[in-house]
Amino acid sequence: GAGVSQSPSNKVTEKGKDVELRCDPISGHTALYWYRQSLGQGLEFLIYFQGNSAPDKSGLPSDRFSAERTGGSVSTLTIQRTQQEDSAVYLCASSFSGIRETQYFGPGTRLLVL
Amino acid sequence: EDKVVQSPLSLVVHEGDTVTLNCSYEVTNFRSLLWYKQEKKAPTFLFMLTSSGIEKKSGRLSSILDKKELFSILNITATQTGDSAVYLCALYYGGATNKLIFGTGTLLAVQP
Repeated sequence: GAGVSQSPSNKVTEKGKDVELRCDPISGHTALYWYRQSLGQGLEFLIYFQGNSAPDKSGLPSDRFSAERTGGSVSTLTIQRTQQEDSAVYLCASSFSGIRETQYFGPGTRLLVL
Repeated sequence: EDKVVQSPLSLVVHEGDTVTLNCSYEVTNFRSLLWYKQEKKAPTFLFMLTSSGIEKKSGRLSSILDKKELFSILNITATQTGDSAVYLCALYYGGATNKLIFGTGTLLAVQP
């Protein structure tokens, strides 16, 4: 596709369960980012991948959060033992490595933890 | 902690009005300031500003950065209902820090 895609678009889960969110970046974009947007808040950086370099995990809020990027393309954000405060929209973005500030966002996954 | 403050938090106008959205920040060592429009979930890119005093325009939208006074404004003239959205500004530092630092946004509602 032409843009960043994410799945699922919505996810409802019970507290304590694990969830996996998927991001498929724009073809040719080597940089990939995950952000979180809680109700009434701005976007909060979670993690950044660039090529084969070690990811920048400085924004992950706890060790329950982890992310992988396989083959330099698709990325999966995993939240273990979900808590109600994890409820948010999780947005993925990608960019060319040379123009990393112009990030193109996917439609997001709206996560609700009951 | 780096801070990006947007004002107003929300704004209601009528079609045809002109609006000015503000973004102020407290750091100076950033590479660029960006504006995004968020209508449903995915923010869409509007402008990237790197130099002070140079206006960028796209149709009815324009934006300028003032690095001395540490703010940027986004102007929308002759507003339309389709301009209703949350407008986000963000700082990009570059180098080893590739994340965007976002403000909380301004919710703009344009009434017919």
